[in-house]
Amino acid sequence: GAVVSQHPSWVICKSGTSVKIECRSLDFQATTMFWYRQFPKQSLMLMATSNEGSKATYEQGVEKDKFLINHASLTLSTLTVTSAHPEDSSFYICSARDRAGWYTEAFFGQGTRLTVV
Amino acid sequence: DAKTTQPTSMDCAEGRAANLPCNHSTISGNEYVYWYRQIHSQGPQYIIHGLKNNETNEMASLIITEDRKSSTLILPHATLRDTAVYYCIVRVGGFGNEKLTFGTGTRLTIIP
Repeated sequence: GAVVSQHPSWVICKSGTSVKIECRSLDFQATTMFWYRQFPKQSLMLMATSNEGSKATYEQGVEKDKFLINHASLTLSTLTVTSAHPEDSSFYICSARDRAGWYTEAFFGQGTRLTVV
Repeated sequence: DAKTTQPTSMDCAEGRAANLPCNHSTISGNEYVYWYRQIHSQGPQYIIHGLKNNETNEMASLIITEDRKSSTLILPHATLRDTAVYYCIVRVGGFGNEKLTFGTGTRLTIIP
């Protein structure tokens, strides 16, 4: 199957700072990527849909000014957690689907564990 | 997308077939059944999907009932590495509907 890579795999940051997480589709182009958040012992919750060349679409209750999403190319989307606080500590996961339709399923990155201290 | 219901947890002996059920009684005619699994602290991994016919690949088999209101994921010879949370998701296929809504899933534990 196709490969989606996230970087970094984990990050620790100080409260008040910003953190950027990258999501890349390595062997396919993705017009749309998705960002999820997962708290311990809970399921994945969709945060936003990242659209190449346009603004992201955020799910209800997700602050767009806090979670900045940029989808600069067909293979890269970034999520920036601005002014991070301890309650933002979570497992962040991106997914992407093949624009060309070679694969009909979505593929997920390995996730980024964010710890805000 | 239609809602799914799965058992919270299941155990299966190593080497035996693991059968994971999923109810999706409100599924629409154009909605596919997808299965993903998530091993601890990793991103979800695609397993299999289907519309109405049974499907098989190198990882698993998917059995969908004739009325499409339920399905079963079968791991034919479970190994310890199959211990994970398994998610059954139904969604409309095709472009423009890539959103996946995750439920609570089934925590499958393979016992040596």
